[in-house]
Amino acid sequence: QKEVEQDPGPLSVPEGAIVSLNCTYSNSAFQYFMWYRQYSRKGPELLMYTYSSGNKEDGRFTAQVDKSSKYISLFIRDSQPSDSATYLCAMSISGNTPLVFGKGTRLSVIA
Amino acid sequence: KAGVTQTPRYLIKTRGQQVTLSCSPISGHRSVSWYQQTPGQGLQFLFEYFSETQRNKGNFPGRFSGRQFSNSRSEMNVSTLELGDSALYLCASHIRGEQFFGPGTRLTVL
Repeated sequence: QKEVEQDPGPLSVPEGAIVSLNCTYSNSAFQYFMWYRQYSRKGPELLMYTYSSGNKEDGRFTAQVDKSSKYISLFIRDSQPSDSATYLCAMSISGNTPLVFGKGTRLSVIA
Repeated sequence: KAGVTQTPRYLIKTRGQQVTLSCSPISGHRSVSWYQQTPGQGLQFLFEYFSETQRNKGNFPGRFSGRQFSNSRSEMNVSTLELGDSALYLCASHIRGEQFFGPGTRLTVL
């Protein structure tokens, strides 16, 4: 079993839809949880950074962490074609330990 | 504030050669990590440097090495290149747990 599991998609939605992206993990020691967005031929861009359980909102993006279920989510409201990218979840045990990434979910938002 | 810069952006090498990649972190960041990204394995951690010292190392062979300079700039080296080393090599500059990635160096080994 991989430490972090993420459905690779591809996921295709119409413009304006609510998108839900998810990851599960097996290591209960993970405390820091991140979502990155990666456009083709670019480096990953940090979207959301959360510590422990709970929700965090930033504009159209909401990150949720449920440590009891070892499950994290990213919601994108009012999705736009410019949101079309690969979304990577990542997590770490502490601020000084390496990130462990999911394989990424490819999202296409169709105008 | 300028982001993470990586040079070169693209490299083509042949098997058996060696390669050196460079990373300049965000000003004020003292930690630099390197990752390898391939379609099959995704993003995998190579190593991390903090104040010129290797703090963490991933599960890669000894052909992969790195170093960090006093100005926090970092280099990674891959010796005796293999076809399987073809990948996007990403450098991340981090502070207080948040990691910010550069655009990567795309290495193709022929």
